[in-house]
Amino acid sequence: DGGITQSPKYLFRKEGQNVTLSCEQNLNHDAMYWYRQDPGQGLRLIYYSQIVNDFQKGDIAEGYSVSREKKESFPLTVTSAQKNPTAFYLCASSRFGDSSYEQYFGPGTRLTVT
Amino acid sequence: QKEVEQNSGPLSVPEGAIASLNCTYSDRVSQSFFWYRQYSGKSPELIMSIYSNGDKEDGRFTAQLNKASQYVSLLIRDSQPSDSATYLCAVNSDRGSTLGRLYFGRGTQLTVWP
Repeated sequence: DGGITQSPKYLFRKEGQNVTLSCEQNLNHDAMYWYRQDPGQGLRLIYYSQIVNDFQKGDIAEGYSVSREKKESFPLTVTSAQKNPTAFYLCASSRFGDSSYEQYFGPGTRLTVT
Repeated sequence: QKEVEQNSGPLSVPEGAIASLNCTYSDRVSQSFFWYRQYSGKSPELIMSIYSNGDKEDGRFTAQLNKASQYVSLLIRDSQPSDSATYLCAVNSDRGSTLGRLYFGRGTQLTVWP
């Protein structure tokens, strides 16, 4: 079964702690993306990567970091510098270069920081 | 900043009616347009992609694109209670370093009542 997995589904952390969210895909997609969604809000892009070992900041990258060491994996670290980390985090992937740009989403991780 | 605007909701229609969801976008060079459905608490699911002017039909769903007016819509015929969800419009970027990223609207919440 091809798809995108995110783990864990729910995550609870104390303020001041860094936390890493996992995203893995077996779709052989080149590009991967991290979004944040707050209640009643649209999707906001945090970081994206079009190719291994390269990534770009999205619209709200402050307080987050990523790595792309493997094509299949794009973990997101929420650092203690992120002022309002509680949110629903979504990972997506797409082919790159064929002009379709369809993005497919994982099930998401709901992070609560208290 | 590229903008994607969706008609403000919530939208409420009776079962069996046609639901009409609208979206406008600001970037004239965009070539790929998408509709996602997001059930409460779940991740977005791609339901329609459209790349050319005109209509594209898939079952009860019809996407309409008018690039001259920078307008894309989604019609849901014979609406069912199971169609109740938030619908997100997304538009790609065809420019330089942002090539491939999608810009999302805030979504329109649809309720289909029996």
